[in-house]
Amino acid sequence: NAGVTQTPKFQVLKTGQSMTLQCAQDMNHEYMSWYRQDPGMGLRLIHYSVGAGITDQGEVPNGYNVSRSTTEDFPLRLLSAAPSQTSVYFCASSYVGTGIPGANVLTFGAGSRLTVL
Amino acid sequence: AQTVTQSQPEMSVQEAETVTLSCTYDTSESDYYLFWYKQPPSRQMILVIRQEAYKQQNATENRFSVNFQKAAKSFSLKISDSQLGDAAMYFCAYRRTGNQFYFGTGTSLTVIP
Repeated sequence: NAGVTQTPKFQVLKTGQSMTLQCAQDMNHEYMSWYRQDPGMGLRLIHYSVGAGITDQGEVPNGYNVSRSTTEDFPLRLLSAAPSQTSVYFCASSYVGTGIPGANVLTFGAGSRLTVL
Repeated sequence: AQTVTQSQPEMSVQEAETVTLSCTYDTSESDYYLFWYKQPPSRQMILVIRQEAYKQQNATENRFSVNFQKAAKSFSLKISDSQLGDAAMYFCAYRRTGNQFYFGTGTSLTVIP
């Protein structure tokens, strides 16, 4: 059972370039989300989804796009990278609801370190 | 706005001793979840313990326990019999209805042999 898989683990971009961080989970979780982690800031929610075809914005959505065409995948797109987007990015997923073991507990991917020059 | 505050950027504890990490949160909701996550140098986020707000009983997981004070909006983590492997960054997190999670800024725990 792979859990939550993020690719790539490391990426260096130039300002203005675009890229997609991939996230896939094999646990049939309805909920998927993206966070960025910056020193002294903790983790901040970028976007999240509660099912295929449904996405919503978190605390810091500007500069990022997401889509959820399948239950398994939730890619994060940077259309025009900026140095302020240099960060470590985490994808996380969970079951939603009550009465389900592990519901509402986030399972995280290993993280992706992005540097924008 | 929902916010999570961890007022201790760094803490240290002697091996085998007990340490308490503090967390407060701000919410107007009555139904929510609280969590403590551990992040070792490997960067992997690992669930330590969780608490449902509707449960009055404090959650425990082996050496880890919480003191959940709903009226005070306080959610502290107690680590008993601290071990070297407990050294990590600890994040307090809050999940509101609507599936948004909010994290504190973290407490870096050092365990002294």
